[in-house]
Amino acid sequence: GQNIDQPTEMTATEGAIVQINCTYQTSGFNGLFWYQQHAGEAPTFLSYNVLDGLEEKGRFSSFLSRSKGYSYLLLKELQMKDSASYLCAVSDSNYQLIWGAGTKLIIKP
Amino acid sequence: GAVVSQHPSRVICKSGTSVKIECRSLDFQATTMFWYRQFPKQSLMLMATSNEGSKATYEQGVEKDKFLINHASLTLSTLTVTSAHPEDSSFYICSAREGTGGSSPLHFGNGTRLTVT
Repeated sequence: GQNIDQPTEMTATEGAIVQINCTYQTSGFNGLFWYQQHAGEAPTFLSYNVLDGLEEKGRFSSFLSRSKGYSYLLLKELQMKDSASYLCAVSDSNYQLIWGAGTKLIIKP
Repeated sequence: GAVVSQHPSRVICKSGTSVKIECRSLDFQATTMFWYRQFPKQSLMLMATSNEGSKATYEQGVEKDKFLINHASLTLSTLTVTSAHPEDSSFYICSAREGTGGSSPLHFGNGTRLTVT
């Protein structure tokens, strides 16, 4: 079956760095997306990886290793507004998105 | 960037009534739109894929006669929850891809919080 795993919850300190991991097993692979979702709001797009390596976008970076079925989202210089759930989603062979359950990130001052 | 508008953002209705939710792509055409449901503290659950000019494709376990989807144009899809019951209370979110390729990200509407009393 298809499966996306990511930690349920993480806690980090304002100003620090946090890495949210995502492992996947899917039928085919056409890219991996990271989304941010604040409580009570819809998800917003953060990043997309289809080739191995690191994609940097400001304070956020996303890494992919296709051979390991692994990705991570790296958040630097954490701010209180970064408190949210972070969703990992993989596009399978049919370009259907398979969603992880999300990682709730709690930022403490 | 691509914008998806969803309306209403919040609706409260009585049990047995029907509720229509609209999803519009404002600055791009979307031949396909997706409808999700999300219960508190749970992940997104795909309900159906809405195809312009043809019937929607429903996920297993989703009643097509209860959740009516119409995709009459390239910029508008509607979801109607018919004969709503309290267990239908949830956060409904639509999304659309800006491009046709699988690498194009989904852009989400702001969601509709439905409360059935």
